[in-house]
Amino acid sequence: GQNIDQPTEMTATEGAIVQINCTYQTSGFNGLFWYQQHAGEAPTFLSYNVLDGLEEKGRFSSFLSRSKGYSYLLLKELQMKDSASYLCAGLDSNYQLIWGAGTKLIIKP
Amino acid sequence: IAGITQAPTSQILAAGRRMTLRCTQDMRHNAMYWYRQDLGLGLRLIHYSNTAGTTGKGEVPDGYSVSRANTDDFPLTLASAVPSQTSVYFCASSDSPGTDTQYFGPGTRLTVL
Repeated sequence: GQNIDQPTEMTATEGAIVQINCTYQTSGFNGLFWYQQHAGEAPTFLSYNVLDGLEEKGRFSSFLSRSKGYSYLLLKELQMKDSASYLCAGLDSNYQLIWGAGTKLIIKP
Repeated sequence: IAGITQAPTSQILAAGRRMTLRCTQDMRHNAMYWYRQDLGLGLRLIHYSNTAGTTGKGEVPDGYSVSRANTDDFPLTLASAVPSQTSVYFCASSDSPGTDTQYFGPGTRLTVL
């Protein structure tokens, strides 16, 4: 079966760094997406990885290891506005997204 | 303003009633999607359309139908609503199916009593 696993909730301190992990099992693999979703709002795109390695985009970076079926999202210099759920999604062989349940990130001052 | 709109924002519906959730995008995207999001579960794909005139079934299509008469509109119909269809429904679009980023509408919160 297809499955995306990520922690349910994480807590971090403003100004710190946090890493949100995601492991995936999909039928075929055409890339890994990360989306951010604030409470009561729509998901918004953060990153897409299809090759192994780290992609950096400002305070946010995303890493992929295809051999390990593993990705992480790294958030630096955390701000209160980063409090949100972070959704990991794998693109399967039919080019359909398989979504994780999301990691709720709580930022404390 | 470019983007995706959904209507209604929220709705309370009696079981057995028919309901159509509307979705319109003005980005001229080819692909459109309907998801439902339930607490503790990931987004689940209900139906999708890779281009106007075509539709396909996603992971949880039972009890739902869609049509794609033109590029911009992708309505989702519940023929006879049941309480298990209580959820938040998101419409999304992408320039092409597959690796392109999906852009989401604001969602419709539906409660079936």
